[in-house]
Amino acid sequence: AAGVIQSPRHLIKEKRETATLKCYPIPRHDTVYWYQQGPGQDPQFLISFYEKMQSDKGSIPDRFSAQQFSDYHSELNMSSLELGDSALYFCASRLGTDPRDYEQYFGPGTRLTVT
Amino acid sequence: DAKTTQPNSMESNEEEPVHLPCNHSTISGTDYIHWYRQLPSQGPEYVIHGLTSNVNNRMASLAIAEDRKSSTLILHRATLRDAAVYYCILRDPLRLSSGGGADGLTFGKGTHLIIQP
Repeated sequence: AAGVIQSPRHLIKEKRETATLKCYPIPRHDTVYWYQQGPGQDPQFLISFYEKMQSDKGSIPDRFSAQQFSDYHSELNMSSLELGDSALYFCASRLGTDPRDYEQYFGPGTRLTVT
Repeated sequence: DAKTTQPNSMESNEEEPVHLPCNHSTISGTDYIHWYRQLPSQGPEYVIHGLTSNVNNRMASLAIAEDRKSSTLILHRATLRDAAVYYCILRDPLRLSSGGGADGLTFGKGTHLIIQP
């Protein structure tokens, strides 16, 4: 079965640079979530989109922005990168028409290293 | 938001049952109890969820206390592949229901399950 696709899988950037992470949800899924997991930490919710509109917002820094496109893929844009942004970034998707249908399917993650 | 409390780690032997506890004493009447797990170097994975009644699926069973202040995830016969961090998460489907219910999961400090061969 098709899974969530994230690209790139690994990314190395320098401080103050920008980065763009991409997420391709499972076909027909219209809801996308972004999570950040720092080294040795638990995943933290950043932001979510349903039908191309922002749905919920977590602890996403102002330097980060995200959007969902007409084909439902999503991009997380990160500017003025800091060393503390080094983390695994997970994307998850689900079919969001029924809020009781809550299983989120996670992608393999993008490992961002800021040097 | 209602919080959950789980032991930091638990150890079990392969092919034995494992009972992973979760306390959620401030749970609201509309909170569902979800369990996710994260295997090493992978994204989190849904395991099971429930509201009041005990639930079973091919991966695990969920036993929910009558007062709903605690629950237990049961792996009936643990294998080495079950070694992971297990997260107990409360989720209210009525929150953000107008926006499609796309509310993010709040991961707390899960239980690191170690399986000995």
